[in-house]
Amino acid sequence: GAVVSQHPSWVICKSGTSVKIECRSLDFQATTMFWYRQFPKQSLMLMATSNEGSKATYEQGVEKDKFLINHASLTLSTLTVTSAHPEDSSFYICSARLAEYTYEQYFGPGTRLTVT
Amino acid sequence: AQTVTQSQPEMSVQEAETVTLSCTYDTSESDYYLFWYKQPPSRQMILVIRQEAYKQQNATENRFSVNFQKAAKSFSLKISDSQLGDAAMYFCAYSGDDKIIFGKGTRLHILP
Repeated sequence: GAVVSQHPSWVICKSGTSVKIECRSLDFQATTMFWYRQFPKQSLMLMATSNEGSKATYEQGVEKDKFLINHASLTLSTLTVTSAHPEDSSFYICSARLAEYTYEQYFGPGTRLTVT
Repeated sequence: AQTVTQSQPEMSVQEAETVTLSCTYDTSESDYYLFWYKQPPSRQMILVIRQEAYKQQNATENRFSVNFQKAAKSFSLKISDSQLGDAAMYFCAYSGDDKIIFGKGTRLHILP
């Protein structure tokens, strides 16, 4: 149980275009999902917290107009990288919290974004 | 602000031996969770073990156990009978609310 999927697993896009990454909780409802960014050989950096039906809360320094997050249902959150540039190339990981009042998160397999 | 510190960027251990990964954290909260996550080459984050701060007993999961010292704010991970499949990046993590704060990680190499 508690499986989180991400799609696509790998995407290449041209500079200036937008790309959408989906995060789904497959066997549970997630009121809260999280988006992380991980640079090579570094730790996970929290980008934003996404709550179903409300606006995402972005961490300091994360451009909310560049990284659009939508949490339309209890099983789906999307991250759209708008007007992508090569510096946006990274590994993006989502996670979902199993239930309210728990601290444990289950992670998706990640999406590798390459902007050319 | 809460912080998590892993002072060992890399470690190596002989297969079948025991290794301990260190982690310290800083918080003013009294109720929180601590985690160890494993990230193998596939980059899938896998929860290894978790510890609730209010529990004095150290958590164990098969070959994995922790030494939780709340007063010292220390949370080390012991891996017994190391196996080749244990080779990965290990992240210590803290959560006092809905966010998880990760340490910088320790890369563990298993020597055959």
